[in-house]
Amino acid sequence: DTAVSQTPKYLVTQMGNDKSIKCEQNLGHDTMYWYKQDSKKFLKIMFSYNNKELIINETVPNRFSPKSPDKAHLNLHINSLELGDSAVYFCASSQDAAGGPADTQYFGPGTRLTVL
Amino acid sequence: GNSVTQMEGPVTLSEEAFLTINCTYTATGYPSLFWYVQYPGEGLQLLLKATKADDKGSNKGFEATYRKETTSFHLEKGSVQVSDSAVYFCALSDSQNYGQNFVFGPGTRLSVLP
Repeated sequence: DTAVSQTPKYLVTQMGNDKSIKCEQNLGHDTMYWYKQDSKKFLKIMFSYNNKELIINETVPNRFSPKSPDKAHLNLHINSLELGDSAVYFCASSQDAAGGPADTQYFGPGTRLTVL
Repeated sequence: GNSVTQMEGPVTLSEEAFLTINCTYTATGYPSLFWYVQYPGEGLQLLLKATKADDKGSNKGFEATYRKETTSFHLEKGSVQVSDSAVYFCALSDSQNYGQNFVFGPGTRLSVLP
C-alpha cells in the first residue's frame, strides 16, 4: 500500500481554470503538508495541517486553498490558475509537527501541474 | 530567520569516488537536521537525520554529523554507485520559529558515471 498518495500525477490545464489536487496518507500521521517544487528543484512549504487545523500558512496567493476533511486527507484547490503556478506539488505527512521526535516527513510522488 | 545553504551542483563523480555535499544552516532554535534524497520522477524520501549536536546520522553508506559549532551537516559517502544519482536536499526542522518550521536547501544534483 502506498503510504502517501496524490492524484492526479499529471495535470495540464488552461490559464484561468480551477483545479484540485488530492492527497491521502495511510500512516496514521497527525500532520500533513503541501510543498511546491519549481523547475530548478527548489522546494518551498506552502501549508501545514495538524489534526485538521492549519498550523503553517506561508505567503502564497489566496487563490490556493487547502482543505482537510479529516486527518488522513489534505487537498489543495487552486483558483484562476496562472502560468507561474506550473510546478510539481508534493504532499507530505509526519507523525509530529516540527521539532517533535517523529517529525520525519513522508512524501507523496508529486503532481506535475502545467498551466498553458 | 532560518535558512539552509548547500553547495551548488551538479556534482559529477565516477563510480567508487568519495562524495561530500556541504550543508550549513542558520537557525534561532535547536533544530533537527535531515538529508532527503529525490530519485528521478519520485518524491523526496528521508536518507538520514540527526536531532542534536554531535549526533551522526547514517544510512545506505551515507553519513552526516550535526556540528553545532560550525552549523554544518555535511553529507559524505566513501564510495558512490551509479544508483546514488539523485538530487539531495539538506533540511531543518525547528519548533521554535513559527512559519519557518521546515526549511529545505536548494538541492544538489549528483550524477555518478560508470
